[in-house]
Amino acid sequence: GAVVSQHPSWVICKSGTSVKIECRSLDFQATTMFWYRQFPKQSLMLMATSNEGSKATYEQGVEKDKFLINHASLTLSTLTVTSAHPEDSSFYICSARVPPGRADEQFFGPGTRLTVL
Amino acid sequence: AQSVTQLGSHVSVSEGALVLLRCNYSSSVPPYLFWYVQYPNQGLQLLLKYTSAATLVKGINGFEAEFKKSETSFHLTKPSAHMSDAAEYFCAVSDRTGGYNKLIFGAGTRLAVHP
Repeated sequence: GAVVSQHPSWVICKSGTSVKIECRSLDFQATTMFWYRQFPKQSLMLMATSNEGSKATYEQGVEKDKFLINHASLTLSTLTVTSAHPEDSSFYICSARVPPGRADEQFFGPGTRLTVL
Repeated sequence: AQSVTQLGSHVSVSEGALVLLRCNYSSSVPPYLFWYVQYPNQGLQLLLKYTSAATLVKGINGFEAEFKKSETSFHLTKPSAHMSDAAEYFCAVSDRTGGYNKLIFGAGTRLAVHP
């Protein structure tokens, strides 16, 4: 149980275009999902916390207008990178927090590698 | 504020040798602690977690970790390394301030296993 999927697994786009990444909890309802960014050989950097039916909470230094997050249902959160530029190229990982009782455990998606040309 | 320090960005062991990956934490409340493993180009997989029950926690793939409050440590061990254990390992502490229970990750330790 507690499987999280991401789509697409990789994407290449031209500079200036927008890219949407989907994160789905397949076998449970996730009221809270998280979006991380990971640069090569580095740790995960939390970008934002996504709550179903409300606005996302962004970490300091993350541009809200550039990284649009929508959590419209209990099983789907999306991250849209708007007007992407080469410096946005990275590995984006989402996670979902399981319902209460699992001690803040998060289940992670497989990640999406974004390359902006 | 909660934080995690992983000592040693790279650890190299021989196959069959003991694996020891170090993690120290800082937390203003009793912590929940986690070890995750990441294989190349993949997401994170939970190895084990500490949630204030038994201080010695057993996880998957033969890994275990011991919570030592006096040393603020949660080191990960495995008695005998296998080639398939080569991966990146992340220690994390749950930040339960602010209401969203975020995970704060360490910088990671890359484990190499030699034949």
